[in-house]
Amino acid sequence: AQSVSQHNHHVILSEAASLELGCNYSYGGTVNLFWYVQYPGQHLQLLLKYFSGDPLVKGIKGFEAEFIKSKFSFNLRKPSVQWSDTAEYFCAVSLTGTASKLTFGTGTRLQVTL
Amino acid sequence: EAGVTQFPSHSVIEKGQTVTLRCDPISGHDNLYWYRRVMGKEIKFLLHFVKESKQDESGMPNNRFLAERTGGTYSTLKVQPAELEDSGVYFCASSQDLGNLNTEAFFGQGTRLTVV
Repeated sequence: AQSVSQHNHHVILSEAASLELGCNYSYGGTVNLFWYVQYPGQHLQLLLKYFSGDPLVKGIKGFEAEFIKSKFSFNLRKPSVQWSDTAEYFCAVSLTGTASKLTFGTGTRLQVTL
Repeated sequence: EAGVTQFPSHSVIEKGQTVTLRCDPISGHDNLYWYRRVMGKEIKFLLHFVKESKQDESGMPNNRFLAERTGGTYSTLKVQPAELEDSGVYFCASSQDLGNLNTEAFFGQGTRLTVV
């Protein structure tokens, strides 16, 4: 069975600090990888996704993630966070080539202070 | 274009009562998923419809949960009778059917269910 681990449950950063959120997955096959974000009071929305190709993926709002296959990792990064990045971030995986279910990590709550 | 919409946004019911959650997917999306997040834990898959058929219902907790998608449009998730451990946020998501091509899922805002 697939599983996803997010190591940071709650992160507090000052504005302009750099961000890296860890995500590791456990699955022997080929996967699709996603980062979703949920801003307070809003729905889950896709930040970025990796299906194939360049392992460095750029998403919305200046976020990027790097797929490192040998480490089963898909860490999320942003060079300089803003107060508006305060949200909960979820890493998720699914099997490639299908419209299959997502397996989520437990989420990381990011709080950015002014 | 309208996104995935869910009704109600909040529901508080007593143990033993029945609750029905509704999800309207994005128009034209054949895939519809239900997920649940119990407080402090990960978002967990419940089931997956392709049009009106249940493709995967491996995540349904027990037979108190019944999901339907008549006509392949909106879906309902009924909990009867509700138990305290059913409390959580229920998310619906939809995606296009692109055959073997990868696709992304779009989520609704969720229904926060509290069983007291």
